Amino acid sequence: QKEVEQNSGPLSVPEGAIASLNCTYSDRGSQSFFWYRQYSGKSPELIMFIYSNGDKEDGRFTAQLNKASQYVSLLIRDSQPSDSATYLCAVSPINFGNEKLTFGTGTRLTIIP
Amino acid sequence: KAGVTQTPRYLIKTRGQQVTLSCSPISGHRSVSWYQQTPGQGLQFLFEYFSETQRNKGNFPGRFSGRQFSNSRSEMNVSTLELGDSALYLCASSFLSRGTGGELFFGEGSRLTVL
Repeated sequence: QKEVEQNSGPLSVPEGAIASLNCTYSDRGSQSFFWYRQYSGKSPELIMFIYSNGDKEDGRFTAQLNKASQYVSLLIRDSQPSDSATYLCAVSPINFGNEKLTFGTGTRLTIIP
Repeated sequence: KAGVTQTPRYLIKTRGQQVTLSCSPISGHRSVSWYQQTPGQGLQFLFEYFSETQRNKGNFPGRFSGRQFSNSRSEMNVSTLELGDSALYLCASSFLSRGTGGELFFGEGSRLTVL
């Protein structure tokens, strides 16, 4: 069983709609949670991080964390074609840390114009 | 501000050979992490160095090793290459120290092909 699970997709969403990306993790000791975006042929770049239960909003992006359910999600509002990429969920055992990240295999998101 | 620089970008080796990959972090960043990315397994953590000390290590065999120099530059070495070592090796640097969060900045990667 993979430690961080994501639906591989592809997930197709019309432009302007909300894209919802989900991630579950198996290690209850996970403390810090991240969403990275990776365009084809490029390296990952950080979109959001979240450390405590609840929602965290940054522009069009909202990260949601539920530690009891071991579930992290990313919502992208007003989806744009430039949001088409693979989204990687990552978790760290370090409190407020980015060390020793365990990544999911990613969800490929396609925004349809 | 220069980003994370990895060299070489592409290389081809044969089974049994060894390879050394180099990573220059963003100026001022003291933490350097290495990840292996393959289509099947995704991104997997190899190890992390902070101030020349290996601080964290992933679940890779001893053929994978690394080091960090006093200027924070890092190298990773893979000995006795196997076909399964073919992958994109990503280096990431971070400024903040443990427990204070911070963004990982990834380099463009070194793509290794083992024949």
